Amino acid sequence: DAKTTQPNSMESNEEEPVHLPCNHSTISGTDYIHWYRQLPSQGPEYVIHGLTSNVNNRMASLAIAEDRKSSTLILHRATLRDAAVYYCILRDPGTYKYIFGTGTRLKVLA
Amino acid sequence: DTAVSQTPKYLVTQMGNDKSIKCEQNLGHDTMYWYKQDSKKFLKIMFSYNNKELIINETVPNRFSPKSPDKAHLNLHINSLELGDSAVYFCASSQIAGVPSAYNEQFFGPGTRLTVL
Repeated sequence: DAKTTQPNSMESNEEEPVHLPCNHSTISGTDYIHWYRQLPSQGPEYVIHGLTSNVNNRMASLAIAEDRKSSTLILHRATLRDAAVYYCILRDPGTYKYIFGTGTRLKVLA
Repeated sequence: DTAVSQTPKYLVTQMGNDKSIKCEQNLGHDTMYWYKQDSKKFLKIMFSYNNKELIINETVPNRFSPKSPDKAHLNLHINSLELGDSAVYFCASSQIAGVPSAYNEQFFGPGTRLTVL
């Protein structure tokens, strides 16, 4: 299973953009990049996913490097509610499972 | 309405006991999962069922036995509980498993915190 590397923690000020990086140098051509987040005392929740092109949804944007060896989750305006652990996950479309790494704990400062 | 629900939310028990955790999803999904999150917050998949059939069985002690009476329910039974079983257990579901699909968003339940004394 391909692995991802994320910083253990990051801080951001409220209402400022946040860029959460993820390295996945061993990604295969068919692996999709998924992001989930886990709010305190809750189960993980889906944020966004992509393959090659940058993606936007109501929660965030995903910027994928041209060589696909890294990606960045962008929260355009961080709120206190965005404080969570963010997981970057590679998923082979032929498998049914996610392999969660250690994630990045995001702290949002008021 | 809660999409994925688990009972109980908290479970405190003695070593050696047998306990069960229940999970139900009302999303009409075909696939359900059990994850374990240990004290270091590392989240690891344990089992997955698709239409009541086991499709993922990670290296888990055989004291853990999942049971799926129907595709909306996946229960986890644990025999002879040990201290190391203390963790938060999450149930999840997703729509498609049989057809390989990278977009297979998983919906997680709120978790069951198991403490073994």
